[in-house]
Amino acid sequence: KQEVTQIPAALSVPEGENLVLNCSFTDSAIYNLQWFRQDPGKGLTSLLLIQSSQREQTSGRLNASLDKSSGRSTLYIAASQPGDSATYLCAVSHRGSGNTGKLIFGQGTTLQVKP
Amino acid sequence: DAGVIQSPRHEVTEMGQEVTLRCKPISGHNSLFWYRQTMMRGLELLIYFNNNVPIDDSGMPEDRFSAKMPNASFSTLKIQPSEPRDSAVYFCASSLRTSGGIFANTGELFFGEGSRLTVL
Repeated sequence: KQEVTQIPAALSVPEGENLVLNCSFTDSAIYNLQWFRQDPGKGLTSLLLIQSSQREQTSGRLNASLDKSSGRSTLYIAASQPGDSATYLCAVSHRGSGNTGKLIFGQGTTLQVKP
Repeated sequence: DAGVIQSPRHEVTEMGQEVTLRCKPISGHNSLFWYRQTMMRGLELLIYFNNNVPIDDSGMPEDRFSAKMPNASFSTLKIQPSEPRDSAVYFCASSLRTSGGIFANTGELFFGEGSRLTVL
């Protein structure tokens, strides 16, 4: 059974700091991995999608890497800003049986960037 | 594009009442997902449709829950009768799933704002 774990559960950093959020998954049979952002009381916003054949994706100050063999992904945020404060969720599209493309989520890392 | 649209945004009801949540996916997307989010269990997939056909409903908690997708632009999630433990935020999401047999791939997922359900 695929399980996704995110560490740390919460993180507080001063503005301007570079930071790394971690995601690990137990089964390397994935189609892709997605990083989402969730603001309080809001839906999830897709940040980056990495296909299983890719090693990383970049968007602005965000860079996500994928090491499928070790079951790990990291989300790197450069020069963090207070507006980056949110919960960040990692999800894998698990191949599994039946080819459902089911997304399995981690519990998220809640980030606070202090001015 | 307006994105995934869900209604109602908030629903407060009494135990035993029927609840219907609605979703309009992004135009052109062929996959639709219903998720439930709670503090205890995080995000859980309830059911997934591809081309309006339910593919995986293994996450539907029990017979009180049902979902339909009568056409490509509309889906409902119904709870009858509702119970306090159903209180959660229910999210609808859509994506463009590529075809190709075993190489089919769920594309990037786009979520609605969610429907916050409180059952008293």
